Amino acid sequence: QQPVQSPQAVILREGEDAVINCSSSKALYSVHWYRQKHGEAPVFLMILLKGGEQKGHEKISASFNEKKQQSSLYLTASQLSYSGTYFCGTDPSGNTGKLIFGQGTTLQVKP
Amino acid sequence: DAGVTQSPTHLIKTRGQQVTLRCSPKSGHDTVSWYQQALGQGPQFIFQYYEEEERQRGNFPDRFSGHQFPNYSSELNVNALLLGDSALYLCASSLPGTDTQYFGPGTRLTVL
Repeated sequence: QQPVQSPQAVILREGEDAVINCSSSKALYSVHWYRQKHGEAPVFLMILLKGGEQKGHEKISASFNEKKQQSSLYLTASQLSYSGTYFCGTDPSGNTGKLIFGQGTTLQVKP
Repeated sequence: DAGVTQSPTHLIKTRGQQVTLRCSPKSGHDTVSWYQQALGQGPQFIFQYYEEEERQRGNFPDRFSGHQFPNYSSELNVNALLLGDSALYLCASSLPGTDTQYFGPGTRLTVL
């Protein structure tokens, strides 16, 4: 039931773009995206709900394809502060609060 | 506005001992969830408390138990500690009727 994230790791230069994918074998009610820096708590980025629209947060946006049971996180014009591990959390049952997280995608942005 | 707080920050225990971790949710949040995060892995859901009751539970043995107090703060108790219980334990809180969970800094538990 754990969602699968791809790629596992990506290295970028400042200003480059990246896409992180999250796929599930089960129908999804919602997808939650978090960024975690080493030794820190996961920080909430955005939530996408079934039937909802694409969300955006500064230069970070995400989409949710219900038919394909997947979500993608788009990072444009990456900054050094974007470095960290990105996790998607899915709630297949619907508003239960029981999030199932993927294994994470490590993003490193270099100057 | 204080975020989610957890105590202690770090803890070292030996096998067979018992441990209690504490969490205070963000102001106004009434739901508390606990997660275990092993090194290099995503957080794994342990259980969720709402109105002082366990509402959801993940695939964790009964050695893991919890409690929520009337002020919405929560405790996670782990009995008969195993080496495999070494992990970062995260607490997350959410507003009534919403899906978004906000995480605390976690408690790093090391079992020797």
